[in-house]
Amino acid sequence: DTGVSQDPRHKITKRGQNVTFRCDPISEHNRLYWYRQTLGQGPEFLTYFQNEAQLEKSRLLSDRFSAERPKGSFSTLEIQRTEQGDSAMYLCASSLMGELFFGEGSRLTVL
Amino acid sequence: GENVEQHPSTLSVQEGDSAVIKCTYSDSASNYFPWYKQELGKRPQLIIDIRSNVGEKKDQRIAVTLNKTAKHFSLHITETQPEDSAVYFCAASLKGVYGNKLVFGAGTILRVKS
Repeated sequence: DTGVSQDPRHKITKRGQNVTFRCDPISEHNRLYWYRQTLGQGPEFLTYFQNEAQLEKSRLLSDRFSAERPKGSFSTLEIQRTEQGDSAMYLCASSLMGELFFGEGSRLTVL
Repeated sequence: GENVEQHPSTLSVQEGDSAVIKCTYSDSASNYFPWYKQELGKRPQLIIDIRSNVGEKKDQRIAVTLNKTAKHFSLHITETQPEDSAVYFCAASLKGVYGNKLVFGAGTILRVKS
């Protein structure tokens, strides 16, 4: 499969724990995006990378969220001290010329 | 910042009828407008897109129109089929210092009744 892959697909955690999600983009894509989607809403922008450089972070993103793309390939999104409001689907997408290709997402449930 | 409004939030049509979903955007610098289809439990997938240098684009039963003056764009699906049932999202590009990102509408749940 040469699409965008995300891991894990599902994560259940207790409030206060840290979680990390991984995204492997399409190999030749230089741009990588993280979005968050809650039920009944469209994807909400969190942050994006061009190669290894993080170019923009949403103002909505608290300092508990951090993302990295150390070698310009895969990316990780870490959420520290999770809260129930963090429960959502975390979508990764990659692009080369404009069209975003999404992964299947990582669904987070914070109890 | 960019704001994308999408209407209606739900739409039910009879199989074979047409469906129209409308979106408005706020940033006059937006120049790329994709539409994504998301089936239950699946990833959003691009179905059609349009750039600001054209007013209409068609791909078989799907068409998109863009009115830059009014800052709105629409998705038209003709001869709807049950497999068209899904959530549809519009998006508009927002130009940042380092490049563009997409801002999405809240989605339209389309139900095609057979």
